Amino acid sequence: AQKVTQAQTEISVVEKEDVTLDCVYETRDTTYYLFWYKQPPSGELVFLIRRNSFDEQNEISGRYSWNFQKSTSSFNFTITASQVVDSAVYFCALSEAGATDSWGKLQFGAGTQVVVTP
Amino acid sequence: DAGVTQSPTHLIKTRGQHVTLRCSPISGHKSVSWYQQVLGQGPQFIFQYYEKEERGRGNFPDRFSARQFPNYSSELNVNALLLGDSALYLCASSSSREGLDEQFFGPGTRLTVL
Repeated sequence: AQKVTQAQTEISVVEKEDVTLDCVYETRDTTYYLFWYKQPPSGELVFLIRRNSFDEQNEISGRYSWNFQKSTSSFNFTITASQVVDSAVYFCALSEAGATDSWGKLQFGAGTQVVVTP
Repeated sequence: DAGVTQSPTHLIKTRGQHVTLRCSPISGHKSVSWYQQVLGQGPQFIFQYYEKEERGRGNFPDRFSARQFPNYSSELNVNALLLGDSALYLCASSSSREGLDEQFFGPGTRLTVL
């Protein structure tokens, strides 16, 4: 069963528009970590944020913000005032602390392609 | 400081051949993980090594194997290559044993199997 679902395959916006990427996860662990990564056309995954299951505070970093809601098992990501450089594939990922037989396992969603046009 | 490095950048092989991919973690990181990313999909976990021991294994056939050396660098080996093994292979390093901290990814090795 897919543990991380990113239902949006592609989102296209015009520069300066806001864009929100949805991420829904599934786990039975009480301790887990959620991540967002950015993958530009160059292919290298760039870390954006890590959040543990006990910290539901929303976070803002520059034009990026994250909304973590355990009640709906969601960890959504918003880019405010998008720029062309934001064009990339964005991945949400889950790591379960109780998975002792698969340490280091990040379970990725399928990714959302964001296209920002001038 | 150098990030995670991987070699080679690109590789072309034919079906049935064997391939070895290499990864050097960030200095001080003892955990290395390998992922396979097929075009259009998210990365899939293959292995995690910590202190030269396998600590995690994903759902991949025995044709896939790996090892970690005393300097914490790592190799991923794939035997009897299939067309479906064509993918971007990503290596990630982390400072934590459980790999729950941020994992830093390398640029990947793009493998094409003909």
